[in-house]
Amino acid sequence: DAKTTQPTSMDCAEGRAANLPCNHSTISGNEYVYWYRQIHSQGPQYIIHGLKNNETNEMASLIITEDRKSSTLILPHATLRDTAVYYCIVRLVQGAQKLVFGQGTRLTINP
Amino acid sequence: DAGITQSPRHKVTETGTPVTLRCHQTENHRYMYWYRQDPGHGLRLIHYSYGVKDTDKGEVSDGYSVSRSKTEDFLLTLESATSSQTSVYFCATLLAGTTDTQYFGPGTRLTVL
Repeated sequence: DAKTTQPTSMDCAEGRAANLPCNHSTISGNEYVYWYRQIHSQGPQYIIHGLKNNETNEMASLIITEDRKSSTLILPHATLRDTAVYYCIVRLVQGAQKLVFGQGTRLTINP
Repeated sequence: DAGITQSPRHKVTETGTPVTLRCHQTENHRYMYWYRQDPGHGLRLIHYSYGVKDTDKGEVSDGYSVSRSKTEDFLLTLESATSSQTSVYFCATLLAGTTDTQYFGPGTRLTVL
């Protein structure tokens, strides 16, 4: 699976959009981009994933650049409950589906 | 939420004792996983299973064994616990299909004294 690079930490004001970047310059054509988050002491939670098109669900939007070497997770109206560590993961959708977690971005939402 | 429970949720044990952690799921997912999480290391895969009696090693499998005799249960055993195995252990299952999403349990905090 391709390696990802994320900022260690970010801050965002409550009610504003939180934009979390991820670089995955070695991504291959059949690898997907997945985002998970982990709120303190809880198990990781799936947020969204995509291959090359932008995706949106009830939690977030995922913007993938045309060359697929980077992506941005957008939380449109961040709340205090969005404070968490966010993981960007790139992997093939096949086989045993092992997730390789990096260090992630610690997002703090400030009141 | 994929109906994943882990037991026990907290355990304190002594070095050298055997410990078994249980993961139970109610969604009939084929794949199940055990991860450990330590400060500075993120989540690391210990073992995983791709079906009943079918298991394989992850990146940090030394000192651990697993068993899966039923679809719904995946057991992680520390044959002789060491202090380096003090960690938070997460079980996960995979719903294979259009999203191939992993769902995680609430975790077990294990302390080995």
